Amino acid sequence: DAGVTQSPTHLIKTRGQQVTLRCSPKSGHDTVSWYQQALGQGPQFIFQYYEEEERQRGNFPDRFSGHQFPNYSSELNVNALLLGDSALYLCASSLPGQLSGANVLTFGAGSRLTVL
Amino acid sequence: GQQLNQSPQSMFIQEGEDVSMNCTSSSIFNTWLWYKQDPGEGPVLLIALYKAGELTSNGRLTAQFGITRKDSFLNISASIPSDVGIYFCAGQPPPGTYKYIFGTGTRLKVLA
Repeated sequence: DAGVTQSPTHLIKTRGQQVTLRCSPKSGHDTVSWYQQALGQGPQFIFQYYEEEERQRGNFPDRFSGHQFPNYSSELNVNALLLGDSALYLCASSLPGQLSGANVLTFGAGSRLTVL
Repeated sequence: GQQLNQSPQSMFIQEGEDVSMNCTSSSIFNTWLWYKQDPGEGPVLLIALYKAGELTSNGRLTAQFGITRKDSFLNISASIPSDVGIYFCAGQPPPGTYKYIFGTGTRLKVLA
Protein backbone atom coordinates (compact mmCIF):
# COMPACT_ATOMS: atom_id res chain seq x y z
CA ASP A 1 0.00 0.00 0.00
CA ALA A 2 1.76 3.12 -1.23
CA GLY A 3 1.80 6.03 1.12
CA VAL A 4 1.83 9.67 0.08
CA THR A 5 4.12 10.20 -2.90
CA GLN A 6 5.56 13.54 -3.96
CA SER A 7 7.52 14.69 -6.97
CA PRO A 8 10.04 15.97 -7.67
CA THR A 9 12.14 15.24 -4.59
CA HIS A 10 14.55 18.10 -5.22
CA LEU A 11 14.55 21.06 -7.57
CA ILE A 12 16.41 24.30 -8.06
CA LYS A 13 14.83 27.42 -9.52
CA THR A 14 15.82 31.04 -9.90
CA ARG A 15 13.98 34.08 -8.62
CA GLY A 16 10.93 34.99 -10.66
CA GLN A 17 10.40 31.51 -12.04
CA GLN A 18 7.37 29.32 -11.45
CA VAL A 19 7.26 25.82 -9.97
CA THR A 20 4.73 22.99 -9.83
CA LEU A 21 4.91 20.27 -7.20
CA ARG A 22 2.84 17.11 -7.32
CA CYS A 23 1.31 14.82 -4.75
CA SER A 24 -0.53 11.51 -4.81
CA PRO A 25 -2.41 10.79 -1.57
CA LYS A 26 -2.37 7.54 0.32
CA SER A 27 -4.83 4.97 -0.98
CA GLY A 28 -8.27 5.58 0.52
CA HIS A 29 -7.55 9.22 1.40
CA ASP A 30 -9.50 12.00 -0.29
CA THR A 31 -8.20 15.15 1.37
CA VAL A 32 -4.84 16.77 0.61
CA SER A 33 -3.08 19.47 2.60
CA TRP A 34 0.12 21.31 1.72
CA TYR A 35 2.64 22.58 4.26
CA GLN A 36 5.82 24.61 3.90
CA GLN A 37 8.72 23.75 6.20
CA ALA A 38 11.59 26.22 6.32
CA LEU A 39 14.94 24.99 7.59
CA GLY A 40 14.86 24.47 11.35
CA GLN A 41 11.14 25.23 11.64
CA GLY A 42 7.93 23.29 11.99
CA PRO A 43 5.60 22.90 9.00
CA GLN A 44 3.32 25.84 8.16
CA PHE A 45 -0.13 25.25 6.67
CA ILE A 46 -0.54 26.52 3.10
CA PHE A 47 -3.97 25.16 2.13
CA GLN A 48 -6.20 22.10 2.06
CA TYR A 49 -8.08 20.60 -0.88
CA TYR A 50 -11.22 18.52 -0.63
CA GLU A 51 -13.62 17.56 -3.41
CA GLU A 52 -11.41 19.44 -5.89
CA GLU A 53 -11.83 22.74 -4.07
CA GLU A 54 -9.66 24.76 -1.73
CA ARG A 55 -11.33 24.29 1.64
CA GLN A 56 -9.06 26.39 3.82
CA ARG A 57 -6.03 28.59 3.27
CA GLY A 58 -3.22 29.66 5.55
CA ASN A 59 -1.36 32.97 5.56
CA PHE A 60 0.30 32.60 2.19
CA PRO A 61 0.13 35.06 -0.71
CA ASP A 62 -1.81 34.44 -3.89
CA ARG A 63 1.43 33.40 -5.59
CA PHE A 64 0.71 30.05 -3.96
CA SER A 65 -2.09 28.20 -5.69
CA GLY A 66 -3.20 24.62 -5.98
CA HIS A 67 -5.42 22.13 -7.62
CA GLN A 68 -6.97 18.79 -6.81
CA PHE A 69 -7.88 16.31 -9.51
CA PRO A 70 -10.77 13.81 -9.61
CA ASN A 71 -8.39 11.01 -8.55
CA TYR A 72 -7.59 13.08 -5.40
CA SER A 73 -4.02 13.87 -6.48
CA SER A 74 -2.95 17.47 -6.09
CA GLU A 75 -0.57 20.10 -7.36
CA LEU A 76 0.99 23.09 -5.64
CA ASN A 77 2.01 25.98 -7.87
CA VAL A 78 4.19 28.87 -6.80
CA ASN A 79 4.63 31.86 -9.13
CA ALA A 80 7.24 34.63 -9.11
CA LEU A 81 9.56 32.70 -6.82
CA LEU A 82 11.40 34.56 -4.08
CA LEU A 83 14.51 33.51 -2.21
CA GLY A 84 12.35 33.05 0.88
CA ASP A 85 10.31 30.37 -0.86
CA SER A 86 13.22 27.97 -0.44
CA ALA A 87 11.87 25.22 1.80
CA LEU A 88 10.69 21.65 2.07
CA TYR A 89 7.14 21.44 0.73
CA LEU A 90 5.17 18.67 2.37
CA CYS A 91 1.98 17.11 1.14
CA ALA A 92 -0.28 15.35 3.65
CA SER A 93 -3.39 13.31 3.00
CA SER A 94 -6.18 12.24 5.33
CA LEU A 95 -9.20 9.98 5.39
CA PRO A 96 -12.72 10.98 4.39
CA GLY A 97 -14.29 13.11 7.09
CA GLN A 98 -16.82 10.60 8.33
CA LEU A 99 -14.27 7.94 9.25
CA SER A 100 -12.52 7.54 12.59
CA GLY A 101 -9.15 9.28 12.60
CA ALA A 102 -10.18 11.39 9.65
CA ASN A 103 -8.20 14.38 10.81
CA VAL A 104 -4.88 12.56 11.15
CA LEU A 105 -2.32 13.67 8.57
CA THR A 106 -0.11 11.23 6.68
CA PHE A 107 2.86 13.04 5.16
CA GLY A 108 4.94 12.42 2.09
CA ALA A 109 8.73 12.78 2.05
CA GLY A 110 8.48 16.27 0.61
CA SER A 111 9.85 18.28 -2.29
CA ARG A 112 12.96 20.29 -1.46
CA LEU A 113 12.84 23.60 -3.36
CA THR A 114 15.90 25.82 -3.58
CA VAL A 115 15.49 29.30 -5.08
CA LEU A 116 18.68 31.01 -6.24
CA GLY B 1 3.54 32.08 11.00
CA GLN B 2 2.03 30.80 14.23
CA GLN B 3 3.90 27.97 15.94
CA LEU B 4 3.41 26.19 19.23
CA ASN B 5 6.06 26.36 21.92
CA GLN B 6 7.97 23.14 22.36
CA SER B 7 10.52 22.43 25.04
CA PRO B 8 13.22 21.56 25.33
CA GLN B 9 14.48 22.83 21.98
CA SER B 10 17.12 20.12 21.93
CA MET B 11 18.49 17.48 24.26
CA PHE B 12 21.32 15.01 24.51
CA ILE B 13 20.58 11.88 26.51
CA GLN B 14 22.26 8.59 27.25
CA GLU B 15 20.90 5.41 25.73
CA GLY B 16 18.46 3.83 28.14
CA GLU B 17 17.31 7.10 29.70
CA ASP B 18 13.74 8.32 29.69
CA VAL B 19 12.86 11.49 27.75
CA SER B 20 10.12 14.05 28.35
CA MET B 21 9.08 16.91 26.11
CA ASN B 22 6.07 19.17 26.00
CA CYS B 23 4.13 21.51 23.83
CA THR B 24 2.21 24.54 25.06
CA SER B 25 -0.14 27.12 23.60
CA SER B 26 -2.26 30.06 24.67
CA SER B 27 -5.16 28.62 22.64
CA ILE B 28 -7.18 25.45 23.09
CA PHE B 29 -7.03 22.55 20.69
CA ASN B 30 -9.36 19.68 19.87
CA THR B 31 -6.73 17.28 18.61
CA TRP B 32 -3.04 16.83 19.33
CA LEU B 33 -0.69 14.86 17.10
CA TRP B 34 2.92 13.93 17.75
CA TYR B 35 5.31 13.33 14.84
CA LYS B 36 8.94 12.31 14.39
CA GLN B 37 10.94 13.60 11.46
CA ASP B 38 14.26 12.20 10.28
CA PRO B 39 16.62 14.22 8.06
CA GLY B 40 15.36 14.48 4.48
CA GLU B 41 12.07 12.79 5.31
CA GLY B 42 8.53 13.82 6.02
CA PRO B 43 7.06 13.67 9.53
CA VAL B 44 5.83 10.25 10.66
CA LEU B 45 2.87 10.03 13.02
CA LEU B 46 3.63 8.64 16.48
CA ILE B 47 0.49 9.26 18.53
CA ALA B 48 -2.89 10.97 18.06
CA LEU B 49 -4.88 12.41 21.00
CA TYR B 50 -8.53 13.44 20.82
CA LYS B 51 -9.81 14.15 24.34
CA ALA B 52 -8.64 16.32 27.22
CA GLY B 53 -6.84 14.15 29.79
CA GLU B 54 -6.36 11.30 27.33
CA LEU B 55 -3.23 9.20 27.88
CA THR B 56 -2.13 7.05 24.93
CA SER B 57 0.83 4.73 24.45
CA ASN B 58 2.60 3.42 21.38
CA GLY B 59 5.34 1.02 22.45
CA ARG B 60 7.90 2.98 24.45
CA LEU B 61 6.11 6.25 23.69
CA THR B 62 3.38 7.76 25.87
CA ALA B 63 1.59 11.03 25.17
CA GLN B 64 -1.03 12.98 27.09
CA PHE B 65 -3.61 15.56 26.08
CA GLY B 66 -3.48 18.26 28.75
CA ILE B 67 -6.67 18.82 30.74
CA THR B 68 -6.67 22.54 29.90
CA ARG B 69 -6.54 21.56 26.19
CA LYS B 70 -3.65 24.02 25.82
CA ASP B 71 -0.79 21.57 26.16
CA SER B 72 0.43 18.08 25.45
CA PHE B 73 3.31 15.91 26.62
CA LEU B 74 5.37 13.14 25.06
CA ASN B 75 7.50 10.67 26.99
CA ILE B 76 9.94 8.15 25.57
CA SER B 77 11.09 5.39 27.86
CA ALA B 78 14.43 3.57 27.66
CA SER B 79 15.69 5.56 24.68
CA ILE B 80 17.65 3.83 21.93
CA PRO B 81 19.88 5.28 19.19
CA SER B 82 17.13 5.15 16.55
CA ASP B 83 15.08 7.60 18.64
CA VAL B 84 17.36 10.33 17.26
CA GLY B 85 15.38 12.88 15.26
CA ILE B 86 13.15 15.89 15.57
CA TYR B 87 9.84 15.55 17.38
CA PHE B 88 6.97 17.86 16.50
CA CYS B 89 3.66 18.40 18.18
CA ALA B 90 0.71 19.61 16.13
CA GLY B 91 -2.57 20.98 17.41
CA GLN B 92 -5.84 21.36 15.57
CA PRO B 93 -8.03 24.23 16.80
CA PRO B 94 -11.75 23.69 17.59
CA PRO B 95 -14.18 22.84 14.75
CA GLY B 96 -14.32 25.19 11.84
CA THR B 97 -10.68 24.82 10.89
CA TYR B 98 -8.87 22.06 9.07
CA LYS B 99 -5.30 23.20 9.55
CA TYR B 100 -2.81 22.00 12.11
CA ILE B 101 -0.44 24.33 13.91
CA PHE B 102 2.94 22.76 14.47
CA GLY B 103 5.43 23.24 17.24
CA THR B 104 8.98 24.47 16.86
CA GLY B 105 10.33 20.94 17.36
CA THR B 106 12.50 19.12 19.90
CA ARG B 107 15.75 17.76 18.51
CA LEU B 108 16.74 14.56 20.29
CA LYS B 109 20.25 13.14 20.23
CA VAL B 110 20.99 9.83 21.93
CA LEU B 111 24.50 8.99 23.08
CA ALA B 112 25.25 5.28 22.95
